[in-house]
This record gives sequence, C-alpha cells and structure tokens, in this order.
Amino acid sequence: GAVVSQHPSRVICKSGTSVKIECRSLDFQATTMFWYRQFPKQSLMLMATSNEGSKATYEQGVEKDKFLINHASLTLSTLTVTSAHPEDSSFYICSALLPTGLSLNEQFFGPGTRLTVL
Amino acid sequence: GENVEQHPSTLSVQEGDSAVIKCTYSDSASNYFPWYKQELGKRPQLIIDIRSNVGEKKDQRIAVTLNKTAKHFSLHITETQPEDSAVYFCAASLGEYGNKLVFGAGTILRVKS
Repeated sequence: GAVVSQHPSRVICKSGTSVKIECRSLDFQATTMFWYRQFPKQSLMLMATSNEGSKATYEQGVEKDKFLINHASLTLSTLTVTSAHPEDSSFYICSALLPTGLSLNEQFFGPGTRLTVL
Repeated sequence: GENVEQHPSTLSVQEGDSAVIKCTYSDSASNYFPWYKQELGKRPQLIIDIRSNVGEKKDQRIAVTLNKTAKHFSLHITETQPEDSAVYFCAASLGEYGNKLVFGAGTILRVKS
C-alpha cells in the first residue's frame, strides 16, 4: 500500500514554456502533499505544502506565481512550472502524507520528475 | 526554524563492516525522525524511522538511536552489503505537530566488496 505516482518521469522543454507535473496517491487519500526540488548531489528542499481544497503554502524564497500548485482532489496534486528557465532544471519530487491516525508524519514519495529546460 | 546537520558526507566501508551516520537537529519540539535511502535518479525510500518517545529501534541489519537531550540521532547499518551503497538522508519533523520534514545534506555510502 501507500503508492505515489508522478507523471511525467522526464520532460525536456524550451525556455519560456510551462510544464505541469502530476502527483497521485494511488491507494489512499492524501489531504496533504508536499513538493520538493533536488539539485544534483544535493538534498531535498521543500518547496511547498499542498492542501486539498485550499491554497498551497510556500517555503521562503519559493515564488508562488512561478510554481503553481493545485490540489483539487484527495488523490491528485499538480505543480506547474511557469515560464521555465534553465535554472529551473532539477529533479522535482512529490510526497503524500498518510491520513492522520494511520501513521502520523510518514510521507511516501513519488518517483520524481526530471525537468530539463533548454 | 529547524536545522538538520548530517555527517559524514561520504563514507566508504568494506563489505561486512558496520556503517554509522549521525545527524543533529535544532528544534527541541521535533518528534519524528525518518531515514531515507536514495539510489541515483530514484525516489527516497523510507528505511527506518523513530519517534521521540523511543530511544532505539531496530529492523534486521538497520537500527536507529535517538538522544533527545543531545538532539542527535544515528543510523547504524551492520553487515553491510554492496547493495547498501546509496545516498542516505536523515530528516526531522518541524515542531511538535509538524508534518513538514527538514532533511540533512545526505551521506554517500559506498560498500566495497
């Protein structure tokens, strides 16, 4: 159980275009999902917390107008990188939080999306 | 805010030896401490976690210890195997009721056969 999928796994786009990444919890409902960014040989940096039915909360230094997050259902959160630039090239990973009462705090990660902006 | 420091950044051990990775955290209200293993290009996989009401937890060759007073926790891998080679991250929850995690910088573990 507790499987999280992410799509696409890889995307290459031109500078200035927008890219949408989907994160799905396949066998449980996730009211809270998280989006991380990981640059090569670095750790996971939390970008934002996605809450179903409400606005996402962004970490300091993350532009909310550039990284649009939508959590329209209990199993799907999307991250849209708008007007992507080469410096946005990174590994984007989502995670989903198990519902309260099952395993407090435990996050399950998606397989990640490798974004390359040319 | 929470700050998590992880050491060492790289660790090479001979197959069969033990490996120890240490992390310290700054937020005394943190109460959840997971360890993740990440292979190149893959998702982080939870290998073990510990909560603040426990001092030690073991799962086969993997163990985690927590010292709340000193605010540090450690990962112990015994009888290491080549397939243990990966990057290991520690993390600490933000605040007493926080679901957010702050990650350490990671440790590259190489097990030489």
